[in-house]
Amino acid sequence: KAGVTQTPRYLIKTRGQQVTLSCSPISGHRSVSWYQQTPGQGLQFLFEYFSETQRNKGNFPGRFSGRQFSNSRSEMNVSTLELGDSALYLCASSLGHPGETQYFGPGTRLLVL
Amino acid sequence: AQTVTQSQPEMSVQEAETVTLSCTYDTSESDYYLFWYKQPPSRQMILVIRQEAYKQQNATENRFSVNFQKAAKSFSLKISDSQLGDAAMYFCAYRSAENRGGSEKLVFGKGTKLTVNP
Repeated sequence: KAGVTQTPRYLIKTRGQQVTLSCSPISGHRSVSWYQQTPGQGLQFLFEYFSETQRNKGNFPGRFSGRQFSNSRSEMNVSTLELGDSALYLCASSLGHPGETQYFGPGTRLLVL
Repeated sequence: AQTVTQSQPEMSVQEAETVTLSCTYDTSESDYYLFWYKQPPSRQMILVIRQEAYKQQNATENRFSVNFQKAAKSFSLKISDSQLGDAAMYFCAYRSAENRGGSEKLVFGKGTKLTVNP
């Protein structure tokens, strides 16, 4: 089975721009979660989608949004980029049942200049 | 809100030796899951081991085992016969099992960087 894939792997943007990141889960997985990883804050939960519905949301400003499509692929969007948005963005997929293992993608490294 | 604390930012171990990474957590819930994830340099995060809180038996996976002390809210990871490939960041994570609406949200500790010396 193919693993979780994320595109693009690297991105450089400037302040004020917007960006869209994509995540393709493992086949059959209906849950996709997004995390932001920075040296200072560590790994922080952004949101989770299950069957096209946002099931949980972390404590991030409204500039961070996401969606999930009928094939379970997910996108996250960050509008009006700030320098502090520079991070590794990880997505993870799972079957969506309690305690199921989440499988992580390689991440998208975003640099905001 | 739940929190996870990893008090050792860095650890080192000699190849073939044993090392224990510490993790404590704070929660008022009685039903939850705990995980250890490994993130090698520039590589994907992978699950090392998981523990269900209602199971008293400590989980083991080959050279990896945990010491789960529910009353003390402690969840340490022991790596036996350390190998060079074990060098990585290790993250302890918590997931609630009490959200009836369902959620895969993981709460992570800050991580422990493990160095394996040949």
